Amino acid sequence: AQKVTQAQTEISVVEKEDVTLDCVYETRDTTYYLFWYKQPPSGELVFLIRRNSFDEQNEISGRYSWNFQKSTSSFNFTITASQVVDSAVYFCALSGGPISSGSARQLTFGSGTQLTVLP
Amino acid sequence: ETGVTQTPRHLVMGMTNKKSLKCEQHLGHNAMYWYKQSAKKPLELMFVYSLEERVENNSVPSRFSPECPNSSHLFLHLHTLQPEDSALYLCASSQERGAGAFFGQGTRLTVV
Repeated sequence: AQKVTQAQTEISVVEKEDVTLDCVYETRDTTYYLFWYKQPPSGELVFLIRRNSFDEQNEISGRYSWNFQKSTSSFNFTITASQVVDSAVYFCALSGGPISSGSARQLTFGSGTQLTVLP
Repeated sequence: ETGVTQTPRHLVMGMTNKKSLKCEQHLGHNAMYWYKQSAKKPLELMFVYSLEERVENNSVPSRFSPECPNSSHLFLHLHTLQPEDSALYLCASSQERGAGAFFGQGTRLTVV
């Protein structure tokens, strides 16, 4: 069974502070994919990043960066110099399984972290 | 035009009503999904449709009935719902294994 844990339910920061959102996952699959999504108040889930289990290189995209550590089964997300527009719920997700299985297409989500950036 | 479009955005229905949620994807993907998002709960996968198979979450009550007439359209037919079915229903699509899903804006359903 797969599981994604986002222990931080809510985080509040002041604008321009850096903030890290934690994600810990569990899977028995040797090949799997990790994702981060952003859900603003409008409701739509916005895809931010995908990382496969064979690529542990960290990634930076503008103010966003991701730290994938297989040894600790973590895939943390850092926002640098946060802005009010970053306020949203952020979800970490996992997909994996044999190619022949429908489970390979399914995403297991964490419970989300509500980030509030105060002006 | 967004990649995944859901209608309606908001729906209020009585417990004896029958309604349908519609989802359309313009991304050329070959898999579509229904997710349910309730307050304070993780997103729950309800149904998956792909060219190869339909995977159904066995815990979904029969009052929810999916329909996928083609790879671009997905429906969720609702009948005799309960107040606890009130939630945000999200449609998503994906092209390949591990590619990640792209989501619509959701339908906010309220059952009264």
